[in-house]
Amino acid sequence: DSGVTQTPKHLITATGQRVTLRCSPRSGDLSVYWYQQSLDQGLQFLIQYYNGEERAKGNILERFSAQQFPDLHSELNLSSLELGDSALYFCASSVSGRGETQYFGPGTRLLVL
Amino acid sequence: GENVEQHPSTLSVQEGDSAVIKCTYSDSASNYFPWYKQELGKGPQLIIDIRSNVGEKKDQRIAVTLNKTAKHFSLHITETQPEDSAVYFCAAIGRNAGKSTFGDGTTLTVKP
Repeated sequence: DSGVTQTPKHLITATGQRVTLRCSPRSGDLSVYWYQQSLDQGLQFLIQYYNGEERAKGNILERFSAQQFPDLHSELNLSSLELGDSALYFCASSVSGRGETQYFGPGTRLLVL
Repeated sequence: GENVEQHPSTLSVQEGDSAVIKCTYSDSASNYFPWYKQELGKGPQLIIDIRSNVGEKKDQRIAVTLNKTAKHFSLHITETQPEDSAVYFCAAIGRNAGKSTFGDGTTLTVKP
């Protein structure tokens, strides 16, 4: 158990809908990262937050947005969902967000029908 | 930006044999190289890591080597066991970077 929690574990929704994925980092970690893993694909970095501020951005679609709240939990919002958005979404956390180990949560499996 | 290539994409070995997975990176500023193991339906779990001021690190049956000049690093698993079967990812991170660049993963199968 990494100490990173993600909810929900599974999510099934329809095209065009909007969903919110939630992540709580390990105690003491200030940085949160979001990754997307499609079927048989590697981990694609989406976005990173540090202490409430966006720090780095990867291949995140405009339909997707995220934020980190004062209590350090983070939410990833996915809107206007398409079939191709079906994937595993992982959250990871680290202490300072620079050049260090990231600890991954168990993921949220999203299925868009 | 950083680019990480990982080989092979699939690897099948007999129980007790060794397994080696190799990664190359492009950005000389990268200085931290973790390896993750991902079992089916779970999140990636850190198994070993190495920093650029070290050439080799070992933890029981797992070792990682780093060649900074050639910009490649490798994961070595000795005396493989069926429970080692999983997908393994390498990653490269810069000193002041938050974002990790991951390889595409290697699916390791250990046959009993």
